[in-house]
Amino acid sequence: ILNVEQSPQSLHVQEGDSTNFTCSFPSSNFYALHWYRWETAKSPEALFVMTLNGDEKKKGRISATLNTKEGYSYLYIKGSQPEDSATYLCAFWAGSYQLTFGKGTKLSVIP
Amino acid sequence: DTAVSQTPKYLVTQMGNDKSIKCEQNLGHDTMYWYKQDSKKFLKIMFSYNNKELIINETVPNRFSPKSPDKAHLNLHINSLELGDSAVYFCASSRALYNEQFFGPGTRLTVL
Repeated sequence: ILNVEQSPQSLHVQEGDSTNFTCSFPSSNFYALHWYRWETAKSPEALFVMTLNGDEKKKGRISATLNTKEGYSYLYIKGSQPEDSATYLCAFWAGSYQLTFGKGTKLSVIP
Repeated sequence: DTAVSQTPKYLVTQMGNDKSIKCEQNLGHDTMYWYKQDSKKFLKIMFSYNNKELIINETVPNRFSPKSPDKAHLNLHINSLELGDSAVYFCASSRALYNEQFFGPGTRLTVL
């Protein structure tokens, strides 16, 4: 079982604030790192797939960075909106088809 | 058109029964997955098929068996259901291994 940790577990931010959270994973045997957004009563939706050390991806106000050597990825949300409220999951792929999801960071944006 | 569909959406059954959950994707993907969302809402992978070949088979009871009749379908059979099997089960697919996954709507299984 691979250790994939996300922090914080949950956070509340005011509308308009920017925020970020972390996914930590083993630094060896890295293959890919995914970020998913999971709204209540819906299914997870892919945000980013990151494969190279130093990768930076952006989609609108959301961006992510990747450091495979130290084993972490950051997800940033600029100018949070109530519709950003969701649980954000990271998923770590190691070699030999090993896939582990983190437990998620639950974001609540207060209008 | 629903990209990844699961049937049924809800399944209520008695302990000891055998049941199946079906999953179909119309995205032309090569890889399909089954996940269990446990009581703490965490997602855990159970199985993955790539081009109809089983490639991920996590430590789940052998009462659970995946079956892939073709690349577009991955069904989950569960024998001798137990109370602890109650959970939401998600199916997903991806173009290939390590690619972004598209999730189905989930099947809520309740074992009484």
